[in-house]
Amino acid sequence: EPEVTQTPSHQVTQMGQEVILRCVPISNHLYFYWYRQILGQKVEFLVSFYNNEISEKSEIFDDQFSVERPDGSNFTLKIRSTKLEDSAMYFCASSERVGGEQYFGPGTRLTVT
Amino acid sequence: ELKVEQNPLFLSMQEGKNYTIYCNYSTTSDRLYWYRQDPGKSLESLFVLLSNGAVKQEGRLMASLDTKARLSTLHITAAVHDLSATYFCAAPIFGNEKLTFGTGTRLTIIP
Repeated sequence: EPEVTQTPSHQVTQMGQEVILRCVPISNHLYFYWYRQILGQKVEFLVSFYNNEISEKSEIFDDQFSVERPDGSNFTLKIRSTKLEDSAMYFCASSERVGGEQYFGPGTRLTVT
Repeated sequence: ELKVEQNPLFLSMQEGKNYTIYCNYSTTSDRLYWYRQDPGKSLESLFVLLSNGAVKQEGRLMASLDTKARLSTLHITAAVHDLSATYFCAAPIFGNEKLTFGTGTRLTIIP
């Protein structure tokens, strides 16, 4: 069964460093998303992406964040200068169509020290 | 802005008992999702509810949706230990893609 994959599973970085989280969505899906979950809290929407551009972003997704689909398969989230409060689990999701079910990847645990 | 609230936040129940988790949402939405999350793991899709009155069942779990009341329920029948997890409901604003998640219900089944 097709699934969303994410790498790395765990990333430790120092405050101020740049990180890139990678996702490979399901191959025939056209809509891509990033969510995050701070430990013990609910899942929060960050950004949605379609047709090579951001379709919606939350207040969390400030100028330090960017997303890219550099080739036909990868979807990346970059945090330019990480802060302690960026420590969280980051989930990528994809869906086939507008209003379609979103399938979540296994997540990348980001720890900023 | 869509708000999604779940209750209870924590639920400890004995094996074999029945219980219901409630999910209220604040504005019109055209679908409702239930997810299960085990500690440190991803979100596993349980149910997608697409219309008023929709009811879906899988094993000991049954989910329903009342769009007029803006309420979804997740009913657990004869709980078993394997159901211990955190359960989230999530909904988008009508016509939107962004999912707003509830606070989650941490369910612990006690032998």
